[in-house]
Amino acid sequence: DIVMTQSPDSLAVSLGERATINCKSSQSVLSSSNNNNYLAWYQQKPGQPPKLLIYWASTRASGVPDRFSGSGSGTDFTLTISSLQAEDVALYYCQQYYSTPPAFGQGTKVEIK
Amino acid sequence: EVQLLESGGGLVQPGGSLRLSCAASGFTFSNYAMSWVRQAPGKGLEWVSGVSGSGGTTYYADSVKGRFTISRHNPKNTLYLQMNSLRAEDTAVYYCAKDRNSERPYHFDYWGQGTLVTVSS
Repeated sequence: DIVMTQSPDSLAVSLGERATINCKSSQSVLSSSNNNNYLAWYQQKPGQPPKLLIYWASTRASGVPDRFSGSGSGTDFTLTISSLQAEDVALYYCQQYYSTPPAFGQGTKVEIK
Repeated sequence: EVQLLESGGGLVQPGGSLRLSCAASGFTFSNYAMSWVRQAPGKGLEWVSGVSGSGGTTYYADSVKGRFTISRHNPKNTLYLQMNSLRAEDTAVYYCAKDRNSERPYHFDYWGQGTLVTVSS
């Protein structure tokens, strides 16, 4: 099974500043057949279910603000919030779907400094 | 508007059983794989089980294999999770999640609000 590891576990960023979350998979999630990275990112606010932000490593889901972007390939990925807003305070999870079972990272908590 | 409404959670003793349901609306249910994802109190997300759009193929996490059974009834737009031999470590909020794919678990674009399962004597 593929294991997903996020870093850091938490970070505090000033409003308007950049937040960067890293995600590493124990094996590549890049498909050689279609050149897609099978990696998604979710946001979870307290008391709410997760919300899909990014899939295929860099495709924003419908309605997601463009301050959220995903990058990376193979085993190393990054979620960037370009200008942190108060409503972005949440837990963020990466998830691989290259193979079954799909696996989530342990989560990264983003707070306001 | 896509809606997923879970039900069936509650308090159960170790070794007991529960059946969760997820009523879906706002999309063509049979076209999409569905999954159950759980979250223990204060912990992260754990995928539990998935089923293809047709219901013909099922997938399980090792932690629940042989104890949980996923199924779906497409004419009723409903997803189920039969949970047997429950353990304390199964205590969690269980989310129903819609996949963007029809066959195997991919990524999940809609989630229900979750139903709490507590396993305790």
